[in-house]
Amino acid sequence: ELKVEQNPLFLSMQEGKNYTIYCNYSTTSDRLYWYRQDPGKSLESLFVLLSNGAVKQEGRLMASLDTKARLSTLHITAAVHDLSATYFCAVDGTQGGSEKLVFGKGTKLTVNP
Amino acid sequence: DGGITQSPKYLFRKEGQNVTLSCEQNLNHDAMYWYRQDPGQGLRLIYYSQIVNDFQKGDIAEGYSVSREKKESFPLTVTSAQKNPTAFYLCASSTTRGSPLHFGNGTRLTVT
Repeated sequence: ELKVEQNPLFLSMQEGKNYTIYCNYSTTSDRLYWYRQDPGKSLESLFVLLSNGAVKQEGRLMASLDTKARLSTLHITAAVHDLSATYFCAVDGTQGGSEKLVFGKGTKLTVNP
Repeated sequence: DGGITQSPKYLFRKEGQNVTLSCEQNLNHDAMYWYRQDPGQGLRLIYYSQIVNDFQKGDIAEGYSVSREKKESFPLTVTSAQKNPTAFYLCASSTTRGSPLHFGNGTRLTVT
């Protein structure tokens, strides 16, 4: 059974600092997704990583995937308050051809002035 | 604009009553999903459907039922058999494998 673990679960950081969120998963998969959720809102897609070594960047966020280590990272550069949200990684635990995403518990990021 | 519409946004029910959550999409996506989110938790898959008239159980299907009579609609019924129904329910859809899920705005269900 696929398990997805994120750490840390809570992250409080100052504006301007850098930090990395980690997403480990337990079984082989070559598809990993990152989502953002603002309080009380739905999820918004950030990145889709489809192969080993994939790296995607958008603004101050950069995501990477190492399928051999079963690890993805979401790196935050020079954080700003607007990045405060909960970030989820999700891994494709496909069974029988139907894509089935398993989500981590999320990392709640708070960026303080 | 294309998207996923979930209704209602808030829903209150008494224990022992069945309740149906609506999910409609006009994205022409084949696959649709229902997830449940509890405070401080990730999303857990309830049911998913790849094509009309076919659906599969997710990880926590007990106490729930779905139907997929039309491509654009995937309603979820929370039955009285669901022991802890109070949660935030999210519907999602996707096109091909490797494409991200598009989520609706969710329905917050409270059962007392």
